[in-house]
Amino acid sequence: KNEVEQSPQNLTAQEGEFITINCSYSVGISALHWLQQHPGGGIVSLFMLSSGKKKHGRLIATINIQEKHSSLHITASHPRDSAVYICAVSETSGSRLTFGEGTQLTVNP
Amino acid sequence: DADVTQTPRNRITKTGKRIMLECSQTKGHDRMYWYRQDPGLGLRLIYYSFDVKDINKGEISDGYSVSRQAQAKFSLSLESAIPNQTALYFCATSDRGSSGANVLTFGAGSRLTVL
Repeated sequence: KNEVEQSPQNLTAQEGEFITINCSYSVGISALHWLQQHPGGGIVSLFMLSSGKKKHGRLIATINIQEKHSSLHITASHPRDSAVYICAVSETSGSRLTFGEGTQLTVNP
Repeated sequence: DADVTQTPRNRITKTGKRIMLECSQTKGHDRMYWYRQDPGLGLRLIYYSFDVKDINKGEISDGYSVSRQAQAKFSLSLESAIPNQTALYFCATSDRGSSGANVLTFGAGSRLTVL
């Protein structure tokens, strides 16, 4: 069992839909990261959070420490949101990150 | 210019050849990392360095070596490349955030193909 699991693995949506990507983890963490990887390969950090909720534009990230679960929401999705979204955790036992396998999101016009 | 620059961006080589991937950063971060990404797998840590005199193995360091030439430079070497080292390689840097965790900045990636 992976220490960080994301669902779904693949998601296809129509433009304008509300999207949710989930991340569950099994280890103690100091923070959780959401990353975005575009088709060209580059990876961008979207959020780092250790509690509650953060919002940036149409993106919202939430975390429930007790349930060891985080969600990334995209409101009013757009084709330019098409990318791989990666969840990663900073473990309290060390300084490294453990990554999920990613969720491939495709938003059709 | 990018905050984290990787060279080369693409490289095709043959089995047995020595390959070096270079990474330089202008973030002023102390911590630097090398990851590889394979289809269907999450990013996996090869080596990391918390300062110039500190080098640590990650989860998949066999077949790789690194050099931290300066705070801003961290190179990854494959002494004798093999086909299963074909992957997308990422360099990343981080600074310790107020929560104690690390905000990462990634390079654009280096795609390596070993024939």
